[in-house]
Amino acid sequence: QVQLVESGGGVVQPGGSLRLSCAASGFTFSSYGMHWVRQAPGKGLEWVTFTRSDGSYKCYADSVKGRFTISRDNSKNTLYLQMHSLSAEDTAMYYCARSGDYAQPYWGQGTLVTVSS
Amino acid sequence: QAALTQPASVSGSPGQSITISCTGTSSDVGGYNYVSWYQQHPGKAPKLMIYDVNNRPSGVSNRFSGSKSGNTASLTISGLQAEDEADYYCSSYTSSSTWVFGGGTKLTVL
Repeated sequence: QVQLVESGGGVVQPGGSLRLSCAASGFTFSSYGMHWVRQAPGKGLEWVTFTRSDGSYKCYADSVKGRFTISRDNSKNTLYLQMHSLSAEDTAMYYCARSGDYAQPYWGQGTLVTVSS
Repeated sequence: QAALTQPASVSGSPGQSITISCTGTSSDVGGYNYVSWYQQHPGKAPKLMIYDVNNRPSGVSNRFSGSKSGNTASLTISGLQAEDEADYYCSSYTSSSTWVFGGGTKLTVL
């Protein structure tokens, strides 16, 4: 069965950087686009970024453009999110999700990022 | 990339039907048949309930249905059950080749 396991979250100071990982299993990772979606505590879902199956195309929400970079290593079945210049507004649970055409049918359990001094 | 507009809360009694609206623009909901709906229980990851406006993934109850008219999409849950109490989010693909979510609707089963 499809399994997505995020890791790398934690507490980081404002202005700091963090890299999240998402380990995929149970499907052919190199055949699917992948998303990152975040959810601030007590708030709604916010789409963050997407990459195509081969990593050739990437798109970002305006709120993270220029600060976050999505990447993938298809040989390791792993998705990444490199985050720079973090602020309190980036505090959230970060979910990776597998694409299914234009929806996200499979989600991980999330990794929590807290930006605080 | 303004969020899609959903009512903050809706409620219904067991057995009743409820509808949650999701209003966007011609650049997202109105421009594409790529509206999806997600259910999220507290502390859990979202679960896809409807994709491409009105399609149900395998395993999702046929009590859940979706529709769209113009810039507004809707999720209808019929035969309301206690287990349906959750937060619901709509999402749409956009003309910027990005995705956008709604603000979420809290469903209370009375």
